[in-house]
Amino acid sequence: DAKTTQPNSMESNEEEPVHLPCNHSTISGTDYIHWYRQLPSQGPEYVIHGLTSNVNNRMASLAIAEDRKSSTLILHRATLRDAAVYYCILRSNSYQGAQKLVFGQGTRLTINP
Amino acid sequence: KAGVTQTPRYLIKTRGQQVTLSCSPISGHRSVSWYQQTPGQGLQFLFEYFSETQRNKGNFPGRFSGRQFSNSRSEMNVSTLELGDSALYLCASSLSAGLQETQYFGPGTRLLVL
Repeated sequence: DAKTTQPNSMESNEEEPVHLPCNHSTISGTDYIHWYRQLPSQGPEYVIHGLTSNVNNRMASLAIAEDRKSSTLILHRATLRDAAVYYCILRSNSYQGAQKLVFGQGTRLTINP
Repeated sequence: KAGVTQTPRYLIKTRGQQVTLSCSPISGHRSVSWYQQTPGQGLQFLFEYFSETQRNKGNFPGRFSGRQFSNSRSEMNVSTLELGDSALYLCASSLSAGLQETQYFGPGTRLLVL
C-alpha cells in the first residue's frame, strides 16, 4: 500500500488560512490523492481529491506538487468547526484495492479562537 | 437523502461471545466497506463488499466476517470476542467502486469487550 507522511499535529487561529502538508514520495502515476477528516465523535468525512491538477471545492483547496510527491490541503479561512484529524490517503488503481482506504495517523488540527 | 446508518451505536459484550453489527448504506449505493478504529492502531480496513461479493479483505483473523444482502445492507460478525476487539467499527458506503468514488461513513458502533 502506498504510504503518506503527515505531521502529527498543527495549530492555527480562527479565520486564518491553514496549510496541511502531506508527503507521498512513492506515489504511482495513477494514484489519486484523497483527503478525509474526522471530527470528534464522528466517522470520517470526505474533503477533496485530485490526480495532477490543483482542485477547489466548497470545503477546501488541494495543491499538488508538479512531481506529485507531495500535496497540501488548504483551508482558506479556518473555523472552530474545522478542528479535526485530517487524513491524506492514496487510492491505487488495482481492481480490488480501489475501495480500500489506507489511513495513516493523520494530522490533528487545533483551531484557536 | 438519509446517510449511512449503523446499529447498534453502542454494545457491551464479554470475552468469548459473538457480535453482529449492521450497516445500512445510502440509498443506491452498492459498495460497503468496514473499518476498525482503535487508539493504538488507528483506522484499519476490514473488508469491502460490492453487489453481495466480498472484493477485498484486510489483515484481520477469520473471526471477523461479513456479508452483504441484495438490498446492499451489510452485516459484520465477530466471533469469540477478545478484549482487543474493543473498538469503534465504522461502515462506509459508495455509489460504486472506483478511484474517484467518495466513501460516506456512518457514525460507527462502539464495541466494548469485558
